[in-house]
Amino acid sequence: NAGVTQTPKFRILKIGQSMTLQCTQDMNHNYMYWYRQDPGMGLKLIYYSVGAGITDKGEVPNGYNVSRSTTEDFPLRLELAAPSQTSVYFCATEGVGNTEAFFGQGTRLTVV
Amino acid sequence: AQSVTQLGSHVSVSEGALVLLRCNYSSSVPPYLFWYVQYPNQGLQLLLKYTSAATLVKGINGFEAEFKKSETSFHLTKPSAHMSDAAEYFCAVSGGGGFKTIFGAGTRLFVKA
Repeated sequence: NAGVTQTPKFRILKIGQSMTLQCTQDMNHNYMYWYRQDPGMGLKLIYYSVGAGITDKGEVPNGYNVSRSTTEDFPLRLELAAPSQTSVYFCATEGVGNTEAFFGQGTRLTVV
Repeated sequence: AQSVTQLGSHVSVSEGALVLLRCNYSSSVPPYLFWYVQYPNQGLQLLLKYTSAATLVKGINGFEAEFKKSETSFHLTKPSAHMSDAAEYFCAVSGGGGFKTIFGAGTRLFVKA
């Protein structure tokens, strides 16, 4: 039981490049989230999904896109990377009726 | 709407001393409250949670927190700090069901030998 798996763990992008951060869960949880973590700022919600086929914007969605074609996968897409997107990204899940989030190990992204 | 304020971005204690990390919340509905811990280069792990049952909540690694509605607080304590407690701690609130949890800015705990 792997829980929440994020890939890659580290990535360096050049300005204007695109990439997809992968998130997969094997807990059959309905709710999935993408957060970014910047020093001293806590976690900011980028996008979330309440189930396959349903996604919605969080607090800081600009510059990102998501899709949720299956319960297990919730990839985060950066189309035109900018230095402001340098951050650590966390994927998290929650099950219906569960009360806490389960986090992946994070992806450290640097845009230069 | 919910919000969380953690008082102190850094806290330093000596090994064996009391740990106190402060958290105040704002919520328009009865809140669910959480403390998460993050070790270096790792994701967040649940330390403990309050979900409207007992107001004193015990978590892992000897930590506990008390929900005080009158003070809108959920401070985290541990009687005796250990070197392995050095980490970043996040207080969080949700409106119930854990959906769309709001996180505080975090408090980094340093433990001195």
